[in-house]
Amino acid sequence: DAGITQSPRHKVTETGTPVTLRCHQTENHRYMYWYRQDPGHGLRLIHYSYGVKDTDKGEVSDGYSVSRSKTEDFLLTLESATSSQTSVYFCAISSDRVRRVNTEAFFGQGTRLTVV
Amino acid sequence: AQSVTQPDIHITVSEGASLELRCNYSYGATPYLFWYVQSPGQGLQLLLKYFSGDTLVQGIKGFEAEFKRSQSSFNLRKPSVHWSDAAEYFCAVGFITTSGTYKYIFGTGTRLKVLA
Repeated sequence: DAGITQSPRHKVTETGTPVTLRCHQTENHRYMYWYRQDPGHGLRLIHYSYGVKDTDKGEVSDGYSVSRSKTEDFLLTLESATSSQTSVYFCAISSDRVRRVNTEAFFGQGTRLTVV
Repeated sequence: AQSVTQPDIHITVSEGASLELRCNYSYGATPYLFWYVQSPGQGLQLLLKYFSGDTLVQGIKGFEAEFKRSQSSFNLRKPSVHWSDAAEYFCAVGFITTSGTYKYIFGTGTRLKVLA
């Protein structure tokens, strides 16, 4: 299994509070992704990173920010959590061997976030 | 824009019966195609992938998928389903963006139920 650790695995937080989810990898992969999974919507990309300090938005980025100061860590922050951000969040990684970006994504175990 | 469609939200089959899960994609070039499986409370596990070459690809757990360019499809098949195959299945497309980065788009998933 790819070395991906998400923390925390479960969190309950109150509306309006900031929340940070962490994804840590031991594979030295270039790409890291944050997805959210909701019934009927599958997995939707929030943000992704293609290197240290290099990030880009996905399809559902509003209300979220990310940071990647080290290759191994990718943080997802909800600046002011809302009930609509209750979801399961997955981190994924993929490698980028020179000019071969066509590899699969490896997923973490997920973080279940509940905003009350 | 790139998209992935899984037309069947739920599928129920009897143990030992054959299975086909449908996936259609929209992408201007040859896509990188994947099928993942997710058991309850777990992350996503790669079943198989298609990059190029033989359009019939074999995966783990006895699954196979066929890429049909003319139909923009990548359907997943298994000749004889086992009760342990009950899970949610996701089709995904990997592609290179206009800025040269790489990301994945997922379908909304198909939940498979297996009757004893």
